[in-house]
Amino acid sequence: EVQLVESGGVVIQPGGSLRLSCAASGFTFDDYAMHWVRQAPGKGLEWVSLISWDGGSTYYAVSVQGRFTISRDNNRNSLFLQMYSLRAEDTALYYCASGVSRWSGGIDHWGQGTLVTVSS
Amino acid sequence: DIVMTQTPLSSPVTLGQPASISCRSSRSLVHSDGNTYLSWLQQRPGQPPRLLIYKISNRFSGVPDRFSGSGAGTDFTLKISRVEAEDVGVYYCMQATQFPHTFGQGTKLEIK
Repeated sequence: EVQLVESGGVVIQPGGSLRLSCAASGFTFDDYAMHWVRQAPGKGLEWVSLISWDGGSTYYAVSVQGRFTISRDNNRNSLFLQMYSLRAEDTALYYCASGVSRWSGGIDHWGQGTLVTVSS
Repeated sequence: DIVMTQTPLSSPVTLGQPASISCRSSRSLVHSDGNTYLSWLQQRPGQPPRLLIYKISNRFSGVPDRFSGSGAGTDFTLKISRVEAEDVGVYYCMQATQFPHTFGQGTKLEIK
C-alpha cells in the first residue's frame, strides 16, 4: 500500500523559512516523479512543484518560484520542500503526492497533508 | 499557464440520478508524446484528493465503474451514471501536459 506522510507544518511568522518533509513507502520511490500541491483553507487545489525521479529536473508554480526549493533523497525515500520568505498567502495544507511516471503524467497518490500557517 | 475552467461550480443531484461535470482547457492538452494528461480527482469532505480518472478516460484502481471520463483536445467531461451518497464532495480536473500543472476551480457535488 502506498503511503505518503508529510511533516513539518507549523505556525510561522511572515518572512520566515520552513522545511516540509514527506516519507514515502509502499512503492519504488526512485521510479516516480513527486509533487507538492497546496490547498488554502476553504479553497481549491494549487499545484506547487515537481521533481523528476532522479532529482534532475524541477518545476515550480510562478507564485513560489525563487522562494521554494523541492528536493528528494532516494536513499531515504523522502521528499522535501524548503520554503523561504513565507507570506500570508502561503498559508495552506501542503500535500505530498506521487507522480504517475518518472516525469509526471499527473498525480496518483496523495498524503494527508501538513498545515502551514503564516501569521504574525 | 493553461487555465482549466469547470462547469458547473455546484451541482445538486438526486440520489440515483446521473451527474456530469465539464472541464475546458485554454490550450490543447495533447502532449508531444501523443498522450493527453487530463485527470479527474474527487475530494470528499475532510479528506485529501483521490484520483478517479487519468488520461481522459482511464479509471484508477478501485474506482467504481459508475465514473467515466471522455473528451479530447480542450473539452472533457466526467460522468457519474448513478449518484450515490458517498459521491458527495468536490471534483477537480487537472492537466499534467504542461508545466506548471493546473487544476480547475472545483465542482461541488451535493445531494438534493
